[in-house]
Amino acid sequence: AQTVTQSQPEMSVQEAETVTLSCTYDTSENNYYLFWYKQPPSRQMILVIRQEAYKQQNATENRFSVNFQKAAKSFSLKISDSQLGDTAMYFCAFRAYTGTASKLTFGTGTRLQVTL
Amino acid sequence: DTAVSQTPKYLVTQMGNDKSIKCEQNLGHDTMYWYKQDSKKFLKIMFSYNNKELIINETVPNRFSPKSPDKAHLNLHINSLELGDSAVYFCASSQSGGPREQFFGPGTRLTVL
Repeated sequence: AQTVTQSQPEMSVQEAETVTLSCTYDTSENNYYLFWYKQPPSRQMILVIRQEAYKQQNATENRFSVNFQKAAKSFSLKISDSQLGDTAMYFCAFRAYTGTASKLTFGTGTRLQVTL
Repeated sequence: DTAVSQTPKYLVTQMGNDKSIKCEQNLGHDTMYWYKQDSKKFLKIMFSYNNKELIINETVPNRFSPKSPDKAHLNLHINSLELGDSAVYFCASSQSGGPREQFFGPGTRLTVL
């Protein structure tokens, strides 16, 4: 069974600064996907970024980038130039590559507050 | 042009009642899911259907019964509601093969009094 751990329940960052959210996972799978989802107060789950485990290059999406360390089973999210709209819960999630319908296993989330 | 929709968005009911939550997706996906988010914001898979066939059934009480009449719909019926069923229930969908990113509905907040 897979587990996902987010060790930072809450974080705060000033607008325009950079913040890194941590995520580690445990799995015996070799092929899998990792995701970061954002859940603002509206409670909508929004995909922020995706990383395929077979790709060595770290994924980037505009101000969002990841640091994927497969051997260490680490998958951190860096948010650059933080904006007030980034205030949300952020969930790290794991999905095995195999199977017709693979479930997402989520971490416990990190609540990020962006301040002026 | 909502991708994944759920009805209702809010549901308040008494203990012991039976209720249903409906989910529809217009993305053409072949796989749909139900997740439960508890009061501590923890998200956990409940069920998954692929082409109307039940694929994932986590350890969920049998008071919960999913039904998929077609690939675009996945409903969740809950019998004999209990206080502990209070949560936000999310429907999601994805296409099998490839990255299989899951798209989530807006969630249904269920409150059992």
